[in-house]
Amino acid sequence: AQTVTQSQPEMSVQEAETVTLSCTYDTSENNYYLFWYKQPPSRQMILVIRQEAYKQQNATENRFSVNFQKAAKSFSLKISDSQLGDTAMYFCAFMKMGGNEKLTFGTGTRLTIIP
Amino acid sequence: NAGVTQTPKFQVLKTGQSMTLQCAQDMNHEYMSWYRQDPGMGLRLIHYSVGAGITDQGEVPNGYNVSRSTTEDFPLRLLSAAPSQTSVYFCASKWYGSSGANVLTFGAGSRLTVL
Repeated sequence: AQTVTQSQPEMSVQEAETVTLSCTYDTSENNYYLFWYKQPPSRQMILVIRQEAYKQQNATENRFSVNFQKAAKSFSLKISDSQLGDTAMYFCAFMKMGGNEKLTFGTGTRLTIIP
Repeated sequence: NAGVTQTPKFQVLKTGQSMTLQCAQDMNHEYMSWYRQDPGMGLRLIHYSVGAGITDQGEVPNGYNVSRSTTEDFPLRLLSAAPSQTSVYFCASKWYGSSGANVLTFGAGSRLTVL
């Protein structure tokens, strides 16, 4: 079974600064996907970024990038030039490739951007 | 496209009552699933379906029933509600199978309170 650990329950950062959210996971699988989801106060789950484990290059989406360390089973999210709209819960999630498409979520990090 | 539509958004039940949470998607996704979100625990998979007529259990299926008679709809039934089922429920869908677009689309969530 897979587990996903987010060790930072809460974080806060000044607007325009850079912040990094940590995520580690445990799996015996070699092929899988990793995701970061954002959940603002509206409760909607929004995909931020996705990483395929077979790709060595770290994924980037505008101000969002990841540091994927497969051997260390680490998948951190970096938010650059943070904005007030980034305030949300952030969930790291794991999906085994070719399985039942189940997402295994971490417990989340509550990020607050301070004006 | 409306995406994934969940109804109702809020519901209060008494212990022992039954109800159905509705989920509909208009993206012709084969795969549909139900998750529950509890404080401090992230999202956990309840049931999933890979196509009409096919359903299977996820991580926390007890107390819930599902069926999939059409591609579009995947209702979640609580036959005898218990306070432990107080939670926020998310329906999510995607095209089935491994691909570069292996991304779940989530509904807006349904908050259920069982008294």
